[in-house]
Amino acid sequence: GQNIDQPTEMTATEGAIVQINCTYQTSGFNGLFWYQQHAGEAPTFLSYNVLDGLEEKGRFSSFLSRSKGYSYLLLKELQMKDSASYLCAVMDSNYQLIWGAGTKLIIKP
Amino acid sequence: GAVVSQHPSRVICKSGTSVKIECRSLDFQATTMFWYRQFPKKSLMLMATSNEGSKATYEQGVEKDKFLINHASLTLSTLTVTSAHPEDSSFYICSARDGGSGGLETQYFGPGTRLLVL
Repeated sequence: GQNIDQPTEMTATEGAIVQINCTYQTSGFNGLFWYQQHAGEAPTFLSYNVLDGLEEKGRFSSFLSRSKGYSYLLLKELQMKDSASYLCAVMDSNYQLIWGAGTKLIIKP
Repeated sequence: GAVVSQHPSRVICKSGTSVKIECRSLDFQATTMFWYRQFPKKSLMLMATSNEGSKATYEQGVEKDKFLINHASLTLSTLTVTSAHPEDSSFYICSARDGGSGGLETQYFGPGTRLLVL
């Protein structure tokens, strides 16, 4: 079956760095996405990785290793507004998104 | 970036009534639209995939007669929750795939509709 695993909840301190991991097992692979979702709102796109390596976009970076079925989202210089759920999703061979359950990130002052 | 709108953003209805949710792509043609449902503190659950001009493909366990989907144009898809019951209360989110300049990975989400059935 298809499976996306990510931690349920993480806590970090304002100004610090946090890494949210995601491992996956899917039928085919057409890219991995990270989305941010604030409570009561729809997800917003953060990043897309289809090749191995690190993609940096401001304070956020996303890494992919296809051979390991592994990705992480790295958030630097954490701000209180970064408190949200972070969803990992993989696009399978049918170009359908398979979603992880999300990681709730709590930022403390 | 591309914008997807949903209407209404919030609806409260009585048990037994039907509710229609609209999803519109505002500045691109959405050849494919997806309807998701999300329970509190849970991830998105894909309900169905709809392609313009054809019948929607429903995920296993989703009742097609309960959740009617119509994708009549390249910019509009509707989800109708028929004879809604309290257990249908949820956050419904649509997303649209840009069939034009975007690649297959380009998918844009609407803001969601919160449905509460009393």
